[in-house]
Amino acid sequence: EMVMTQSPATLSVSPGERATLSCRASQSISSNLAWYQQKPGQAPRLLIYGASTRAAGIPVRFSGSGSGTEFTLTISSLQSEDFAVYYCQQYNNWPITFGQGTRLEIK
Amino acid sequence: EVQLVESGGGLVQPGGSLRLSCAASGFTVSSYDMHWVRQTTGKGLEWVSGLGSAGDTYYLPSVKGRFTISRENAKNSLYLQMNSLRAGDTAVYYCARWYGGWDNWGQGTLVTVSS
Repeated sequence: EMVMTQSPATLSVSPGERATLSCRASQSISSNLAWYQQKPGQAPRLLIYGASTRAAGIPVRFSGSGSGTEFTLTISSLQSEDFAVYYCQQYNNWPITFGQGTRLEIK
Repeated sequence: EVQLVESGGGLVQPGGSLRLSCAASGFTVSSYDMHWVRQTTGKGLEWVSGLGSAGDTYYLPSVKGRFTISRENAKNSLYLQMNSLRAGDTAVYYCARWYGGWDNWGQGTLVTVSS
């Protein structure tokens, strides 16, 4: 099973600043990686797929990069609505697996 | 507007069965890959099962042989039949449509396996 490791577990950032979240795969997954945002009491929301393609309706401040085993989600200028938990997910191999999540909190 | 609405969750004893339903609107279920994903407080998000548009099925190893994914085109719905339930299956279960990633999710239905 492909293990996805996210870091850090918690990230404290001030509004308006940049946030950088990392995700590492235990083996190469090419660009078969997605990022999701989840707020309390809500289902996850797709942000990025194919490692770097923004999903429909996602603001340009969200960007994804990486391939192989190292991936990054960058939020260029944090808005109040961006404070949430973020998950990466690989779909290169069955079973599809998620990282454990990064909680982005207000500093 | 795309919408997914799950139902069928509840409290069940270990070894029991439940059938989850996911009613879709705004698109045709049979034209997309559809999945079930569950979430627990302790284990986070976990993919459970997928049904391809061509009818191919996929399962998490720990549920294979116990869970069955299916769809009913006439009702535009996705299902998950869960048998031999265990305490570890306790979670909120979401159905989700796959389009590059899971681009649309339901609100989830809670399954609690406990005596």
